Amino acid sequence: SQTIHQWPATLVQPVGSPLSLECTVEGTSNPNLYWYRQAAGRGLQLLFYSVGIGQISSEVPQNLSASRPQDRQFILSSKKLLLSDSGFYLCAWSARTGDGYTFGSGTRLTVV
Amino acid sequence: AQSVTQLGSHVSVSEGALVLLRCNYSSSVPPYLFWYVQYPNQGLQLLLKYTSAATLVKGINGFEAEFKKSETSFHLTKPSAHMSDAAEYFCAVSRGFQKLVFGTGTRLLVSP
Repeated sequence: SQTIHQWPATLVQPVGSPLSLECTVEGTSNPNLYWYRQAAGRGLQLLFYSVGIGQISSEVPQNLSASRPQDRQFILSSKKLLLSDSGFYLCAWSARTGDGYTFGSGTRLTVV
Repeated sequence: AQSVTQLGSHVSVSEGALVLLRCNYSSSVPPYLFWYVQYPNQGLQLLLKYTSAATLVKGINGFEAEFKKSETSFHLTKPSAHMSDAAEYFCAVSRGFQKLVFGTGTRLLVSP
């Protein structure tokens, strides 16, 4: 069966520090991968999605970036965090058929 | 472009009462529709999905939803609320390879 792993679960980082969140999927090949952010009291905002290794599409301009170095690995990064980067970050994958996403357990990021 | 509108950011019911969470969609092509549930500080879990098969879709935890093309609706219902149903619920729409678009969410509150 397919599983998705996301870590760390919580993170407190100072303003201006770098960020690296990792997501891996097991039990499937060629998944579509996604990073979402959920700010307090708000819905889900799609940040990045990827349909293959090295292929990244950005939905929202910001100081975050994403990379997909391997088929089932998706990384969210920042060189210098802002206070506004605080939120709940969710990784998800879907099959090529697009009939539903499976989400990771999320990372709670607090920038102080 | 596809979108969903969830009516009511908060819905309150008593334990044992009917749960009705509303979702209306906008899509220029036959959509795939989804309901997800999110418990505090957790990822999203798929409750049910409509992918152009039966219009009445049954999901986990006793929830079901009916696709009504004439009303462009996909409301989520449960005959009898349980305390454990208290969570945030998201409606979402996609079509094939297109990205999932989420509504803003409805928080369900269940009182004893």
